[in-house]
Amino acid sequence: GENVEQHPSTLSVQEGDSAVIKCTYSDSASNYFPWYKQELGKRPQLIIDIRSNVGEKKDQRIAVTLNKTAKHFSLHITETQPEDSAVYFCAASRGSQGNLIFGKGTKLSVKP
Amino acid sequence: SAVISQKPSRDICQRGTSLTIQCQVDSQVTMMFWYRQQPGQSLTLIATANQGSEATYESGFVIDKFPISRPNLTFSTLTVSNMSPEDSSIYLCSVLRQANYGYTFGSGTRLTVV
Repeated sequence: GENVEQHPSTLSVQEGDSAVIKCTYSDSASNYFPWYKQELGKRPQLIIDIRSNVGEKKDQRIAVTLNKTAKHFSLHITETQPEDSAVYFCAASRGSQGNLIFGKGTKLSVKP
Repeated sequence: SAVISQKPSRDICQRGTSLTIQCQVDSQVTMMFWYRQQPGQSLTLIATANQGSEATYESGFVIDKFPISRPNLTFSTLTVSNMSPEDSSIYLCSVLRQANYGYTFGSGTRLTVV
């Protein structure tokens, strides 16, 4: 089955700096790679996703890159703000035919 | 995205008892899933709830402990049976709608077993 590795487990940055979180996956059939943000006591919220036919996707300060050959994908957050502080999870699936498998999460702290 | 109603939001239960969690979606969805999230941990898939047939369980989870029903395309239940303190966790329902790959989560059920 699919295995998703996520690094780092914790990340602390100064406000305004960039943050990068990296994930690798094992199942070459996976074709959908979402990122979720989870604030304390709340449900995971989708912040951006990418499909296997795309190498990069941006949404304002957030971007995701995908390297299918190397089986890794990354989340990039620019100009970080204190409200970006949360736990971020990467995940992978075979899209409409599969379930979603999560990485272990990255706790991001943005210091004012 | 789909709107999910998950009940109860939290409960405190005695060991040895069972709790049934409900997940209701506002529209038909292709797939429904149940996850467990232990304190400070990631989300672990328990099973895929199949409409009209037995759920598909992940390694480490069995039907006797976590029976699941999905009688139609918008509703599913997860029962946590014969509970022990180790079952204390957050249980989340998730759905996948056809025509896009977006997975949406319910608000979760925080279970404490005493």
